[in-house]
Amino acid sequence: DIQMTQSPSSVSASVGDRVTITCRASEGLGSGLGWYQQKPGKAPNLLIYHTSSLFSGVPSRFSANASATDFTLTISSLQPEDSATYYCQQANTFPHTFGQGTRLEIK
Amino acid sequence: EVQLVESGGGLVQPGGSLRLSCAASGFPLSSYWMTWVRQAPGKGLERVANIKEDGNEKNYVDSVKGRFTISRDNAKKSLYLQMNSLRADDTAVYYCAAAPNQWYLDYWGQGTLVTVSS
Repeated sequence: DIQMTQSPSSVSASVGDRVTITCRASEGLGSGLGWYQQKPGKAPNLLIYHTSSLFSGVPSRFSANASATDFTLTISSLQPEDSATYYCQQANTFPHTFGQGTRLEIK
Repeated sequence: EVQLVESGGGLVQPGGSLRLSCAASGFPLSSYWMTWVRQAPGKGLERVANIKEDGNEKNYVDSVKGRFTISRDNAKKSLYLQMNSLRADDTAVYYCAAAPNQWYLDYWGQGTLVTVSS
């Protein structure tokens, strides 16, 4: 299976800060990558699909990009409601593995 | 409004069986791949199985092959997961999710907890 490694595993930032989360794949992802946000006790929500496309209803402060095997999710101006765990997920081959998650805390 | 509602979770002994169901509404189920994703307590996400729109293609993660069976009934707007020979490491919240392709999970249910313990 393709392995997905996220960094950092946790981050703490203030409202208004710019935050970047990175995901590295163990091999190239021709079919791209998605990003999900999960709040405690809730199901995940899709934020980004096909590496950089914003899912319907997701605020424009979320953006994503890629280079070779490295993928990034950026929150341009952190809001209190962005406190959550973020997961990347590869779309190349089943089981479309997820990263281990990055916990984002608001200071 | 899109809704996915899971049911069927609970406490089961090791070696036992459970059948999870997921009722879908608010979107054309027959146009979506459907997926079961699980999350062990305090852990990350793992895609367990998925099934094509017409039910003719199914995929399973290695750890559940031969034990779990995914199925769907588009007429009843429902997805199922038959889980046999359950083990302690199957303990998790199980989510059903819908994908317009097989890759990205647009819609999720609220999850149902499966606990395997004696």
